[in-house]
Amino acid sequence: SYELTQPPSLSVSPGQAASFACSGDKLGDKHVFWYQQKPGQSPLLVIYYNDRRPLEIPERFSGSNSGDTATLTISETQAMDEADYYCQAWDRTTAVFGGGTKLTVL
Amino acid sequence: QVQLVESGGGVVQPGKSLRLSCAASGFRFTSYGMHWVRQAPGKGLEGLATTSYDGGEKFYADSVKGRLTISRDNYKNTVYLQINSLRPEDTAVYYCARDHAGAVAGSSWYFDLWGRGTLVTVSS
Repeated sequence: SYELTQPPSLSVSPGQAASFACSGDKLGDKHVFWYQQKPGQSPLLVIYYNDRRPLEIPERFSGSNSGDTATLTISETQAMDEADYYCQAWDRTTAVFGGGTKLTVL
Repeated sequence: QVQLVESGGGVVQPGKSLRLSCAASGFRFTSYGMHWVRQAPGKGLEGLATTSYDGGEKFYADSVKGRLTISRDNYKNTVYLQINSLRPEDTAVYYCARDHAGAVAGSSWYFDLWGRGTLVTVSS
């Protein structure tokens, strides 16, 4: 079965850029989606089709995908961005999620 | 108001069955595919099942195939998840999620709207 790997944690200072990595075999051949989940809340789509941003998501969120790694970047991290971030791709008709990266804004 | 509201969770004994419901409102339910995703306590997300907009196509993760059944009632704007032979490892928050489109085979899917989830605890 297909697997996606994410580092468990990431810490940044307010105003710094935060980059989240997601790795998988030939991941660049797939579409990657990113979800933000704050404590006690349901996931929220922040990036779809590798690099597209829903209208309600701030411009500081961006994504890329090439080779074996997809990346979500928050350009100027704010305290409100503190959350778990999950990457996701499809293995045929099954949604595969990475284990998630917990972002701490110090 | 566009929303999904899950219900039907609770404490269930191992080996029993449970049917979860997800009521949709604020959008044209009959145009969208629907999914179920779960999250064990303190763990990540796991995709479970998908139904196309008309219920004609259904897809399941290999890990749950045979024990889960997804269905929908387009008159009631509701999608269901039947879970049989419950095991302690099925303990999780179960989310329903809307697909961005019809979720038919061969098209591209993703989750553009999530409910708040319903907690299922499997314990004797």
